[in-house]
Amino acid sequence: NAGVTQTPKFQVLKTGQSMTLQCAQDMNHNSMYWYRQDPGMGLRLIYYSASEGTTDKGEVPNGYNVSRLNKREFSLRLESAAPSQTSVYFCASSGGPYNEQFFGPGTRLTVL
Amino acid sequence: QKEVEQNSGPLSVPEGAIASLNCTYSDRGSQSFFWYRQYSGKSPELIMSIYSNGDKEDGRFTAQLNKASQYVSLLIRDSQPSDSATYLCAVNGNTGFQKLVFGTGTRLLVSP
Repeated sequence: NAGVTQTPKFQVLKTGQSMTLQCAQDMNHNSMYWYRQDPGMGLRLIYYSASEGTTDKGEVPNGYNVSRLNKREFSLRLESAAPSQTSVYFCASSGGPYNEQFFGPGTRLTVL
Repeated sequence: QKEVEQNSGPLSVPEGAIASLNCTYSDRGSQSFFWYRQYSGKSPELIMSIYSNGDKEDGRFTAQLNKASQYVSLLIRDSQPSDSATYLCAVNGNTGFQKLVFGTGTRLLVSP
């Protein structure tokens, strides 16, 4: 099992460009999440999907959109990137009775 | 007021010593508690979970939970230089769907 995979690993964008971060899990988990991690700020939840077909805003959703494509895949889109979106982005999935979350390897995004 | 608080550290311990990492949380209704280890440049890795008061041991790691005092701790026995990492405490937010609330982490340095 690969667990949670993310693409790309690194990305550099110019201000105003758009891109989609991809995430997939093979653990048959119902729930998936997108976080960003910035120095001194910890992990902040951007969006989550409690189950296939549903998505909800987290703590910092502005400037992002998500799509739960199917049970395995959950993508994060930046429509018009801004330097404030420079961060490390992690996807996670959870399942089981206690909903333990497992993280992907992350995407390092720089917006110039 | 932060919902999950951790001392940012660094906590420095010599090799072979016991490292004690602490976390307090504000939501009395929280039910699930997790410890993640994050090496520099890597993603968070789940190392311990605890759901009831008392101690839970797994190898060199012991998680301790005291719901009355609203704290959870992680003890690492026989600390090794390879344990040097940032340790994140996460708590079930207990607000409907089980979103985790993360602390900002404690950096642990184990010196040879």
